[in-house]
Order: sequence, then structure tokens, then C-alpha cells
Amino acid sequence: EIVLTQSPGTLSLSPGERATLSCRASQNVNSNYLTWYQQKPGQAPSLLIFGASLRATGIPDRFSGSGSGTDFTLTISRLEPEDFAVYFCQQYDKSPLFGQGTRLEI
Amino acid sequence: QLLLHESGPGVVKPSETLSLTCTVSGGSLSVGSNYYWVWLRQPPGKGLQWIGTVFDSETTDYNASLQSRVTISLDSPKNQFSLNLASVTATDTAVYYCARLEYRSFVFDLWGQGTLVTVSA
Repeated sequence: EIVLTQSPGTLSLSPGERATLSCRASQNVNSNYLTWYQQKPGQAPSLLIFGASLRATGIPDRFSGSGSGTDFTLTISRLEPEDFAVYFCQQYDKSPLFGQGTRLEI
Repeated sequence: QLLLHESGPGVVKPSETLSLTCTVSGGSLSVGSNYYWVWLRQPPGKGLQWIGTVFDSETTDYNASLQSRVTISLDSPKNQFSLNLASVTATDTAVYYCARLEYRSFVFDLWGQGTLVTVSA
């Protein structure tokens, strides 16, 4: 079974700064099925990036995804106050599996 | 706009069966499209776990770690799908989400707001 490891566990930054979040897979992942979600406190996760690099509808262009194989990255170019949340990566191989999440805090 | 809403008891006793229903409103829970229906859960302060997917009235796929205890069923005329999780223990305490799976990109593109289920005597 593929394991997704996200790092760092917690990332402390300020508005306006750049955030780089990592998702590493224990074996090669089809990048077509690598997804990022954002979860704000008390809310359900929401779709952010799919196919490793494609923004979901309505997602601002300060969010970008990249990577292939075993290493994937979510980048937020200039943090806005509403971006402070938990971010999960997810892959769909034989079954869906999530990383443990990165908490982005002010 | 399609909306998903979970409903069911907030407390379940150990060894009993957890039962939840997801009602889809604002559209059809149509079978045979590129969309299918899933249950996921998130223990307090922890990550997300996929529980299972229902494709049609006869086809399901379950997380191997839960397969012996899980049943997911579809009621298309009522625009609902349901989760039964048998023989619960405290480790089944979690926020349970229903969601839609978009089957071309394998993403969960719509989520319910979630419902907390606590297993406690």
C-alpha cells in the first residue's frame, strides 16, 4: 500500500510570505490522481488541486501544485489570512489514501 | 447547486451499529454517470480515512481495514445513500463525511458538512 508523508507537520508563516508544502509517496504515484485539499477549522475539506497541478474551480492562482513520481508540492505564492488551514494530499491507486496533513499557521 | 447532508445519531454505544444517511439535494444522485458516492471519516484532530464507495445498487468498494464491518447502500429514488458500521468501539469516534467522487480524476469534489459520531456507553 502506498503511504503519503506530508511535511512539515506544521508550518508557521506570515501573510504575504510564500508557503511550500511537501507530499512524498512511498512509491510512484500516477500524477493524474494526486489531489490536494484545504480544510479550515470546523469545516469539511474542499478540493484545491487535482491532477497534481490543476486548480479546481474558483481556486485563486496563488495556489499551484507540481511534482511527479514520488514527490509533490503545493505552493502558495503570497499567503492571505484565509489560507491558514490544514492541507491534505490524497492519491487514488487501488483505493483512496490521504497524507496526515500539514497545518499552516500564522 | 448540489448539496450533501449527513444525518444520524451523534452517540452510539460500543458493540452497536453506527448508521448514517446522506441526503443529496439540488440535483440527482444519478447512477451510471462519472460521479459516485463515498463515506469518509476523520477522528478528532487526526487525518482523513476513506471508508467506502457505492457505485450502484449492487457495486461497492470498501476500505480493507473496515470491510468486515461496513455496508454502504444506495437509495436512488430517495436521493440518499447510507453507511452502516457494525460492532463499533471508541476508535470509531470521528466526524463522518459523505462526499461525491468524480471518477475521471478520482477526486472528492463535493462534501457534506460532516457529523460527529461518538462511541460511548
